[in-house]
Amino acid sequence: SQQGEEDPQALSIQEGENATMNCSYKTSINNLQWYRQNSGRGLVHLILIRSNEREKHSGRLRVTLDTSKKSSSLLITASRAADTASYFCAVASSSNTGKLIFGQGTTLQVKP
Amino acid sequence: DARVTQTPRDKVTEMGQEVTMRCQPILGHNTVFWYRQTMMQGLELLAYFRNRAPLDDSGMPKDRFSAEMPDATLATLKIQPSEPRDSAVYFCASGFSASGAHEQFFGPGTRLTVL
Repeated sequence: SQQGEEDPQALSIQEGENATMNCSYKTSINNLQWYRQNSGRGLVHLILIRSNEREKHSGRLRVTLDTSKKSSSLLITASRAADTASYFCAVASSSNTGKLIFGQGTTLQVKP
Repeated sequence: DARVTQTPRDKVTEMGQEVTMRCQPILGHNTVFWYRQTMMQGLELLAYFRNRAPLDDSGMPKDRFSAEMPDATLATLKIQPSEPRDSAVYFCASGFSASGAHEQFFGPGTRLTVL
């Protein structure tokens, strides 16, 4: 069963706009990770945020984590056509066995 | 440029045939994961290893699937006999961890079609 659930399922924006994707999960976590998948390719790790962190930045990416609401968001600022991809959140439970459980993903289309 | 490699990239086979997929993790990584991705189910964890020892294969149909790591540079996923419902993209990922969850590096995947 999937722990992370992304919202929205699909998002279409114009180049230059910001894109926000949300992830909700059900259990206590050790960390939460975001991955990107371009069509026909493997997933690429973007950012990891630990349960004791509230916000993290990496370039044009900003991730927030609210453990009280069991939710996270990924913000991509000043989007580019190259950001077109599917984005997945993945949760590592507090039992920290090494497993990640992935959500169904958000498909982002950035129009030039 | 270290990457996870997977072979074959594409495989078309007939129902009942044996399928073997191979993965070479990044040198120095001690964890290996096998995932299956379909439109309906999304990304499912099938099995994973740490230091070549299987830690969890609860996501894998035991009657037909098997996963092994004969050595640190090779992981295999075998399906015997294959069925049409096994058609999916199979990903291998590797990482390094003393314990717990960590960043995973994914291979390009094997697209399996079972006719």
